[in-house]
Amino acid sequence: KNQVEQSPQSLIILEGKNCTLQCNYTVSPFSNLRWYKQDTGRGPVSLTIMTFSENTKSNGRYTATLDADTKQSSLHITASQLSDSASYICVVSLNAGNNRKLIWGLGTSLAVNP
Amino acid sequence: DAGVIQSPRHEVTEMGQEVTLRCKPISGHDYLFWYRQTMMRGLELLIYFNNNVPIDDSGMPEDRFSAKMPNASFSTLKIQPSEPRDSAVYFCASSGLGNTIYFGEGSWLTVV
Repeated sequence: KNQVEQSPQSLIILEGKNCTLQCNYTVSPFSNLRWYKQDTGRGPVSLTIMTFSENTKSNGRYTATLDADTKQSSLHITASQLSDSASYICVVSLNAGNNRKLIWGLGTSLAVNP
Repeated sequence: DAGVIQSPRHEVTEMGQEVTLRCKPISGHDYLFWYRQTMMRGLELLIYFNNNVPIDDSGMPEDRFSAKMPNASFSTLKIQPSEPRDSAVYFCASSGLGNTIYFGEGSWLTVV
């Protein structure tokens, strides 16, 4: 069964600290892996997209990694800010170019406290 | 660009009433998606269109749900009759060239 599991379910950190969110997937055939950020009461916003051949991609203070062999991905947030408080969702695409076949995780809820 | 525009942002309705959610995708995008989000199940794809044509509606929960896209700039998701278990956030999203999907701000539906 195609699944995306994320951990931890929730996380609280202090402003300025780093953190890493995990994503494990059992999706085949794999096309790409995406991380989305969803602020409370807003729609998800794309952070990164990585294909099979990419093992790291950065977007500002966000760095995503992908290990296609172990089917794991992580999202590392450096020097966290209060505005990083949000839900972070890992999404795996089944078919290249087919936006429909996306398997969504339930997300990690991150709270950054002052 | 204004992004994906959804209306209404919030709706509270009584069980049995008809609910219509509206969406304006980003101009030039040829894919349009309707998602539903709940705490328990996360984001679920309900239906998606390509060039105004419904491609896959297998995620639509039951016959009470219907979606239309009469032109490239407008789509509706209708629930008739509504039930309390339909309470959720409904997102419209669109995409064009490339893999990025852009979401609207969502329509928060409460059925009492």
